[in-house]
Amino acid sequence: GAGVSQSPSNKVTEKGKDVELRCDPISGHTALYWYRQRLGQGLEFLIYFQGNSAPDKSGLPSDRFSAERTGESVSTLTIQRTQQEDSAVYLCASSLTSGRVDTQYFGPGTRLTVL
Amino acid sequence: AQTVTQSQPEMSVQEAETVTLSCTYDTSESNYYLFWYKQPPSRQMILVIRQEAYKQQNATENRFSVNFQKAAKSFSLKISDSQLGDTAMYFCAFMKPTGRRALTFGSGTRLQVQP
Repeated sequence: GAGVSQSPSNKVTEKGKDVELRCDPISGHTALYWYRQRLGQGLEFLIYFQGNSAPDKSGLPSDRFSAERTGESVSTLTIQRTQQEDSAVYLCASSLTSGRVDTQYFGPGTRLTVL
Repeated sequence: AQTVTQSQPEMSVQEAETVTLSCTYDTSESNYYLFWYKQPPSRQMILVIRQEAYKQQNATENRFSVNFQKAAKSFSLKISDSQLGDTAMYFCAFMKPTGRRALTFGSGTRLQVQP
């Protein structure tokens, strides 16, 4: 079936504006992750959703960041009052969590540029 | 907390040659999973190979194989018969088997395959 999709592909915004990033996981995948990748660096964990459990928000860098997920479907990551240091690629991944090895499948990411 | 270290920021290899990318990690867990992901310029993270720590046998996937040394906490990736399409960033990643299954990534190695 279709892979993980993310929209928009690129987003340019002005400092202080709010942005919303969207992730469509693979159908049937119960787990969903958001990661941030700054230029030339590895990925940093932001937030984790597993089924209907309370999300693990331990990676969110500030209270300007929040995320929602409706059931086992779409998730949105919201960044309020964007700052220049928020510029990065935001990657979403989903997984089944039904097996011993929980392979995460990634979307193509949203490149956020804050001017 | 887990840490993953990739000490080679950039590497270059001639087409058809073999190259080895290094990765070391630090954890107090006895069981865990290790992954190598490839990120081409398209930004799409693609799973290359995975290893379960309780398995002593090194994982292989076609031209890709790992050298997993649990005692040394080392997990290197060997690419045989390098192809131009292997040009990408390569990330080593660690995952705990229980609880939050977020990946902890290294900083990446940029591999350039030369014709």
